[in-house]
Amino acid sequence: GAGVSQTPSNKVTEKGKYVELRCDPISGHTALYWYRQSLGQGPEFLIYFQGTGAADDSGLPNDRFFAVRPEGSVSTLKIQRTERGDSAVYLCASSSRGSGEQFFGPGTRLTVL
Amino acid sequence: KNQVEQSPQSLIILEGKNCTLQCNYTVSPFSNLRWYKQDTGRGPVSLTIMTFSENTKSNGRYTATLDADTKQSSLHITASQLSDSASYICVVSPSRAAGNKLTFGGGTRVLVKP
Repeated sequence: GAGVSQTPSNKVTEKGKYVELRCDPISGHTALYWYRQSLGQGPEFLIYFQGTGAADDSGLPNDRFFAVRPEGSVSTLKIQRTERGDSAVYLCASSSRGSGEQFFGPGTRLTVL
Repeated sequence: KNQVEQSPQSLIILEGKNCTLQCNYTVSPFSNLRWYKQDTGRGPVSLTIMTFSENTKSNGRYTATLDADTKQSSLHITASQLSDSASYICVVSPSRAAGNKLTFGGGTRVLVKP
């Protein structure tokens, strides 16, 4: 596709469950970013990949959150033992290089009941 | 802590009128500042980008200004249209040496009424 895509667009889960959120970056973009956006707030940085490796994961709130990008393209954000406070929109962005303009996907709205 | 503060939090304007959104930042060192437009249910889309040496940048009816000395930026929307209803987010990028984490403001929610 022409842009960044994210699936699912909406995810409703129960407290304590495990969820996976997927991001397909723009083809050829080496840098990939995950952000979390709470209602009425700006996005907050979670993790940044350059290729397959996490170059900066300092934004991950705790060890329940983990992200992978095994082949340097698609990335999956994994959340274990979800809590109600995890409810937010999770945005993914990619760029052609680490310092280039980031193009955002539409986000996945996660609701933890 | 690096911060980006935006004001107002929200505003309502009539179609055809102008408005100005403000952004103050403390991110240092600083590489560039972007304004993004985020429609409801969508990801942010870049409107303008300015480096520390640029004072103004236009994109159609959107004009951004930057004062790197006072660490302030503004986004001016001219002759607003209903499609301008969205959140506008100020985003500051640190220098390359400081990493790639963008710092986002909380956004200003603009509602344009007919």
